[in-house]
Amino acid sequence: GAVVSQHPSWVICKSGTSVKIECRSLDFQATTMFWYRQFPKQSLMLMATSNEGSKATYEQGVEKDKFLINHASLTLSTLTVTSAHPEDSSFYICSARGSMNTEAFFGQGTRLTVV
Amino acid sequence: DQQVKQNSPSLSVQEGRISILNCDYTNSMFDYFLWYKKYPAEGPTFLISISSIKDKNEDGRFTVFLNKSAKHLSLHIVPSQPGDSAVYFCAASAPLKTSYDKVIFGPGTSLSVIP
Repeated sequence: GAVVSQHPSWVICKSGTSVKIECRSLDFQATTMFWYRQFPKQSLMLMATSNEGSKATYEQGVEKDKFLINHASLTLSTLTVTSAHPEDSSFYICSARGSMNTEAFFGQGTRLTVV
Repeated sequence: DQQVKQNSPSLSVQEGRISILNCDYTNSMFDYFLWYKKYPAEGPTFLISISSIKDKNEDGRFTVFLNKSAKHLSLHIVPSQPGDSAVYFCAASAPLKTSYDKVIFGPGTSLSVIP
């Protein structure tokens, strides 16, 4: 399958700082990228959907000012967690899908710990 | 409102036997269904998918069955192997470029294959 690379795989940051997570599609053009969050022993919760060149669509209850998503090119989307708090600690996963594909391919995830 | 349901949080199967994982959905707009396998602290890996125009799709040991009228799908793994032990997520997607163009996950079923 297609390759999606997510970076970093883990990050520890102090409360109040911002953290940027990158998601890249390495061998295909990702017209749509999804960002998910997973709490321990729970399912993947869709946070937002982004299409290249347009604003992200956020799911209900997700603060767009806190979780900034940028999808500036067909191979890169970024999620920035602004003014991070300990309750933002979680596992964040991106996925990418091409225009002709209905399968979404996932990055390896980022474990964020806010201390 | 959970649109994709996996009512069995866990399943144990003897090695060599069949594993059957079930999934139900509520939104009739979904027309493409996917199964992902996930290990702890990793991103989900795509396993197999099925379009709503089909009722069966087979790939090696994995077969997905779709009963559209019942809004039910199942993943069969035959024969089950210890390496299949993981959390399996059912996911559903609506047609590309529609207002519901996103991938929604069920809560997952943890499969344990006992040697």
